Amino acid sequence: GAVVSQHPSRVICKSGTSVKIECRSLDFQATTMFWYRQFPKKSLMLMATSNEGSKATYEQGVEKDKFLINHASLTLSTLTVTSAHPEDSSFYICSARDLGTKDTGELFFGEGSRLTVL
Amino acid sequence: AQSVTQLDSQVPVFEEAPVELRCNYSSSVSVYLFWYVQYPNQGLQLLLKYLSGSTLVESINGFEAEFNKSQTSFHLRKPSVHISDTAEYFCAVTRNTGGFKTIFGAGTRLFVKA
Repeated sequence: GAVVSQHPSRVICKSGTSVKIECRSLDFQATTMFWYRQFPKKSLMLMATSNEGSKATYEQGVEKDKFLINHASLTLSTLTVTSAHPEDSSFYICSARDLGTKDTGELFFGEGSRLTVL
Repeated sequence: AQSVTQLDSQVPVFEEAPVELRCNYSSSVSVYLFWYVQYPNQGLQLLLKYLSGSTLVESINGFEAEFNKSQTSFHLRKPSVHISDTAEYFCAVTRNTGGFKTIFGAGTRLFVKA
């Protein structure tokens, strides 16, 4: 199946700093990627849909100025948590669909990034 | 809009016993159905999927799920579980008519005991 790589897997930062998380599709072009946030022992909450070459579409209740998404190429989307605070600590997961002829609706997930804000 | 309900938050079971993880969905349009598995501190991996055709789908590690349109269910089963099956299992639906959003259930924690 298609491979999605996410980096870094773990990051610890001080309150008030910004953190960037990268999501790459390694063997397919991903015109659309999705960013999820997962709280402990909870399901995945869709934060935003990242579209290559255009603005991301944010879900209701997600601050777009807080969680900046850039999808500058067909294989890379980035999530930047700006002015991070301890309540932003979470597990962030990106995913993508291979929207070529092989698309079956399946999502391919990155390994996830655990953010800890001190 | 779609929604997914996983009725059981946790399912403890002894090794080699059968297990069923329940999933019900609602949607006004046709959907694809998925089960994903998540091991600790990892992303999600596809376990199996229903797109069309036979309502019974199987995974390579012994899990199976049956799409029941009348009951809008997609329950996951395994006749004999192993310790290594301990993980979080998520049921998900995606519209097959565009829109691309995938909606996940709350997840079921399967805990296999020796």
